[in-house]
Amino acid sequence: DAKTTQPTSMDCAEGRAANLPCNHSTISGNEYVYWYRQIHSQGPQYIIHGLKNNETNEMASLIITEDRKSSTLILPHATLRDTAVYYCIVRVGGSLTQGGSEKLVFGKGTKLTVNP
Amino acid sequence: DTAVSQTPKYLVTQMGNDKSIKCEQNLGHDTMYWYKQDSKKFLKIMFSYNNKELIINETVPNRFSPKSPDKAHLNLHINSLELGDSAVYFCASSQYTSGRETQYFGPGTRLLVL
Repeated sequence: DAKTTQPTSMDCAEGRAANLPCNHSTISGNEYVYWYRQIHSQGPQYIIHGLKNNETNEMASLIITEDRKSSTLILPHATLRDTAVYYCIVRVGGSLTQGGSEKLVFGKGTKLTVNP
Repeated sequence: DTAVSQTPKYLVTQMGNDKSIKCEQNLGHDTMYWYKQDSKKFLKIMFSYNNKELIINETVPNRFSPKSPDKAHLNLHINSLELGDSAVYFCASSQYTSGRETQYFGPGTRLLVL
């Protein structure tokens, strides 16, 4: 079972920031927060991940609360092409994990619709 | 350049048939996966391989047999296809480095069993 909870759906106006929340209240100290998205009929796409610090890349920013029990994915200037299902996933990282041994557990995600 | 490719993209077949789906990655990754996405859009892992060794087998019926001839390929063979096997199957690959393991997904194979 997924260890995260997300709103089922959200809407955002084109050009505005999209803020997607995720609760992961049972997250362990060695678990990372990953975000993927799935645009209609395509394979999931990695967006960003973090452990406890806020992270930013060319696609998005990830804000993780100090207690790490929740996080927010921010798309700073949403476009129509950002319409997708966004998945928040927690998983173990670190040297104890053999490649392939930690599976991504996808929940239902948040269906983000960017409106013109 | 396609990083993770799958063939075929669409597969329509009759119940009881045997079919294969092929996956190739040109990223030099050590690990490859198969996921199944059903009609309710839940995406679930089926198998993972690391350096041609099976790592995860997620209680998938033994009609499903993955085969990894080399690190760059992970094929999925399905025997005696059933109606419930209709789904989209995604292949993925990843490379574990310093606590990070980003998975790259293929475009999916849409299987319809009639």
